[in-house]
Amino acid sequence: AQSVAQPEDQVNVAEGNPLTVKCTYSVSGNPYLFWYVQYPNRGLQFLLKYITGDNLVKGSYGFEAEFNKSQTSFHLKKPSALVSDSALYFCAVRAPLTGYSTLTFGKGTMLLVSP
Amino acid sequence: EAQVTQNPRYLITVTGKKLTVTCSQNMNHEYMSWYRQDPGLGLRQIYYSMNVEVTDKGDVPEGYKVSRKEKRNFPLILESPSPNQTSLYFCASSPPGVGETQYFGPGTRLLVL
Repeated sequence: AQSVAQPEDQVNVAEGNPLTVKCTYSVSGNPYLFWYVQYPNRGLQFLLKYITGDNLVKGSYGFEAEFNKSQTSFHLKKPSALVSDSALYFCAVRAPLTGYSTLTFGKGTMLLVSP
Repeated sequence: EAQVTQNPRYLITVTGKKLTVTCSQNMNHEYMSWYRQDPGLGLRQIYYSMNVEVTDKGDVPEGYKVSRKEKRNFPLILESPSPNQTSLYFCASSPPGVGETQYFGPGTRLLVL
């Protein structure tokens, strides 16, 4: 069975500092990995995904994530945090199966960026 | 505008009173899913559908029903709601393919008394 771990319930960072939100996964075969963000009272918005190719993936709002196969990780990063980045972040994984493949989410990490 | 819509956005009901949460997408997506979000548990899939008249159980299907009579609509039915179904519910849709991005609706917050 596939799974995702987000080891931090909350990450605090000062505006202007770099941020990292951690994600590790477990899946059979090569994974398809996603990051979503949820702002208060809103649905989930897609940030970026890794399917194949370059291990560094760039996404929306200046976010990027690095796929590390040996460490089974897909950490989300941003060089300079903004107060408006404060939100709940979800990592998700899908197995490379034919037909339908369930998208499994982590429990989420709350990012708080202080002014 | 490409979107997934859900109705109602907020609902308070009582135990045992049947309810339906509607979900509609205008992107002609084949795949649709329902999730529930609970604090500390993340999102868990309830049901999914690969196309019209094709549905299957996700991780937490007990107490829920779905139907997919039209491509754009995927309603979630709670025949006899219970307090443990109090949650935030999300509908999502995507094109077929494991690498495709899912698009989420705004969510329905349900309180069962």
